[in-house]
Amino acid sequence: AQTIHQWPVAEIKAVGSPLSLGCTIKGKSSPNLYWYWQATGGTLQQLFYSITVGQVESVVQLNLSASRPKDDQFILSTEKLLLSHSGFYLCAWRGLGGRDTQYFGPGTRLLVL
Amino acid sequence: AQSVTQPDARVTVSEGASLQLRCKYSYSATPYLFWYVQYPRQGLQLLLKYYSGDPVVQGVNSFEAEFSKSNSSFHLQKASVHWSDSAVYFCALSPNNRIFFGDGTQLVVKP
Repeated sequence: AQTIHQWPVAEIKAVGSPLSLGCTIKGKSSPNLYWYWQATGGTLQQLFYSITVGQVESVVQLNLSASRPKDDQFILSTEKLLLSHSGFYLCAWRGLGGRDTQYFGPGTRLLVL
Repeated sequence: AQSVTQPDARVTVSEGASLQLRCKYSYSATPYLFWYVQYPRQGLQLLLKYYSGDPVVQGVNSFEAEFSKSNSSFHLQKASVHWSDSAVYFCALSPNNRIFFGDGTQLVVKP
């Protein structure tokens, strides 16, 4: 069975500090991977997706970047956090193609002060 | 352009009552449609999905949804809600590697 793990579970960070959020998928080779940001109040915003190692497509950057260093790993980062980065970050995976279900991780809650 | 609209930001129903959460989509080709549920402080969980065939699809926890091409809709329904169904429900459209979510509908089930 496939499992998706996100770390950390939660973070409190200062404005201007760096950030790195991680996502790992086990039990699925070559998944498509996704990062979402969810503001307080619920709207989901797709940020990035990746269909293979080393290849990341940006949907909305929000002064963030993403990388896929390994087949099962997806990293979201920034060198300087903004207050507007606060929210809930969700990683997701799916198989190939638009008809595959997208499976979400448990999320990372970020508070920027 | 592709989009998903959930016209109701919040729906309140009494326990045991029937439920319909509305979803309208905009897409020119065959849509792949999903309903997800999000409980507080958790990720999203799949309720059901539609690719083709029978327009009524069954999902988990007795949820079902009906696809209508003529109305461009994919409404979620449940015959009798339970207090544990209180959550935020998202409708999603997936034409390719882009996935379009509606803004979500918060369901409140009153005892």
